[in-house]
Amino acid sequence: DGGITQSPKYLFRKEGQNVTLSCEQNLNHDAMYWYRQDPGQGLRLIYYSQIVNDFQKGDIAEGYSVSREKKESFPLTVTSAQKNPTAFYLCASSINRVGNEQFFGPGTRLTVL
Amino acid sequence: RKEVEQDPGPFNVPEGATVAFNCTYSNSASQSFFWYRQDCRKEPKLLMSVYSSGNEDGRFTAQLNRASQYISLLIRDSKLSDSATYLCVVNSKGFQKLVFGTGTRLLVSP
Repeated sequence: DGGITQSPKYLFRKEGQNVTLSCEQNLNHDAMYWYRQDPGQGLRLIYYSQIVNDFQKGDIAEGYSVSREKKESFPLTVTSAQKNPTAFYLCASSINRVGNEQFFGPGTRLTVL
Repeated sequence: RKEVEQDPGPFNVPEGATVAFNCTYSNSASQSFFWYRQDCRKEPKLLMSVYSSGNEDGRFTAQLNRASQYISLLIRDSKLSDSATYLCVVNSKGFQKLVFGTGTRLLVSP
């Protein structure tokens, strides 16, 4: 089955620790995205990548880092510099064309203790 | 002003009712419009794209009004399973960056 997978589903982290969230897709999509969602707020774009080995900051990139070494994979690292990391993190992908719809993975719920 | 604005609701309707949501957008250069559905604690899923001529998919109808810069979603014969949050999504300037509204919550009761 084609789709986007994210792992883990739930993640707990102590303050001061970095943590990496996984995102893999087998849809052969060029573009991939990371969003965070907080209660009562819309999705906010953290980083996106249009092609392998290239990525761009979104609206709230501070405290996060990404890599795009393979077309299928776009991991997100939440660093200790992120002031309020507890949130629902969603990965998405799309065909590399202006304004195309995006398809989402099931998300990772990160809680900082 | 937010780039995409939606009434958060909730809209409480009985089964079988018709319900409509509107969404306004601020960027007149926006080109692509979508409605996504999001269930509680789940990922958003594409419900339908919104075309200039309007489009219909079963009980769902989407309309675009460029002059007034809003899109709408009409749900006929509501089902219990329609209970969810409906996200209005618009593409922003530049590449395929999408802007998501905060969503309108729908509750369909027996």
